[in-house]
This record gives sequence, C-alpha cells and structure tokens, in this order.
Amino acid sequence: GAVVSQHPSRVICKSGTSVKIECRSLDFQATTMFWYRQFPKQSLMLMATSNEGSKATYEQGVEKDKFLINHASLTLSTLTVTSAHPEDSSFYICSASTTGKETQYFGPGTRLLVL
Amino acid sequence: EDQVTQSPEALRLQEGESSSLNCSYTVSGLRGLFWYRQDPGKGPEFLFTLYSAGEEKEKERLKATLTKKESFLHITAPKPEDSATYLCAVLRGGGADGLTFGKGTHLIIQP
Repeated sequence: GAVVSQHPSRVICKSGTSVKIECRSLDFQATTMFWYRQFPKQSLMLMATSNEGSKATYEQGVEKDKFLINHASLTLSTLTVTSAHPEDSSFYICSASTTGKETQYFGPGTRLLVL
Repeated sequence: EDQVTQSPEALRLQEGESSSLNCSYTVSGLRGLFWYRQDPGKGPEFLFTLYSAGEEKEKERLKATLTKKESFLHITAPKPEDSATYLCAVLRGGGADGLTFGKGTHLIIQP
C-alpha cells in the first residue's frame, strides 16, 4: 500500500518552455501533497504544500508564479514549471499523506534538465 | 529554525559489520521523526516514524530509536543490498506539514 507515482520520470526541455509533472496516489486518498526539490549531493527541500481543492502554500523563496501547483482531486497533483531556465534543472519529488496520518509517501521523482 | 544534522556523511562497512547512524535535531514541538532510505535516482522509501522519546521501531536488520535530541538508526549484520543513502526528517508543530530533512548518510556495505 501507499504507492505514489510520478510522470514523467525524466524530461529535457528548452529554456523558456513550460513543463508539467504529475503526481498520483495510486491506492489511497491524498488529502495533502507536497513538492520537494533535490539538487545533486543535497537533501530534499520543501517547495510547497497543497491540500485538495485549496491553493498551495509556498515556502519562502519559492516563486508561486513560476512553480504552479494544482491539487484538483484526492489522487492527483501537478507541478508546472513555467518559463524554465537551466537553473531550474533538478530532481523534483512529490509526496502524499492522508488525513490524520503524519507519514508522507514519496514518488519516484522527476529529473528535469533545461537546456 | 528547524535543523537536522546527520552523521557521518558517509560510512563504509564490511558485510556483517553492525553500526549506527546518527540524526540530531532542533525543532519546535516535534510531531514526528522519520527515517527514509533513498537509492540513487529514486524517491525516498519510508522506513520508520517515531513520535516520542524512548520509542523504538524495528524492521528486519534496522532499528530506530529516539531521544529528546537525537535519533539513531542501528543496522545489524548489514548486507550489500542495505547500501543506500539514509535520510532523517522531522515534522514540526504549529500546523506546518512539510518535512525538514537532513543531508543523509551515504552507506556502503562491502561484500
């Protein structure tokens, strides 16, 4: 149980384009989903928290107009990187939890490379 | 500000050589401490959640313990397949639900 998927697993795009990453909870209802970013040799850094049907809450320093998050259902959240630049290249990982449960289950991650 | 410090940064053991990984934390109102395993290029895999000092959890060759200032992940008689980066994370009080992670311990078990 507690399986989270992400799509795509890897994406390469040109600078200035937008990229959408999907995060799905496959066998449970995710009332809260989280988006993290991990640079090489670094730990995971929380970008934003989203609750189903509500606007996402962004961490300090994360541009909400650049990283658009939608959590339209209890099993799906999307992260759109708008006007991507090479410095946005990173490993993006989502996680999900359900009401009353503290544990977050993570997806396999999406490797984004912006040329 | 919440802080999570893991040590050592890297650890190389022989197969069967037991050891412990450390996670020291500073957080306002700990709601939970989590251990994850991360393989290269993959997302973190959940191992344990600890909620209060004195609590212990076990799973196969792994045992996690918690005090008021730190947590230990004990690895008994490890095998090469236990090689991975082990991440510690805390969940703080005050309503915020995001995890604060340490940088991890990169563990290598040599056959």
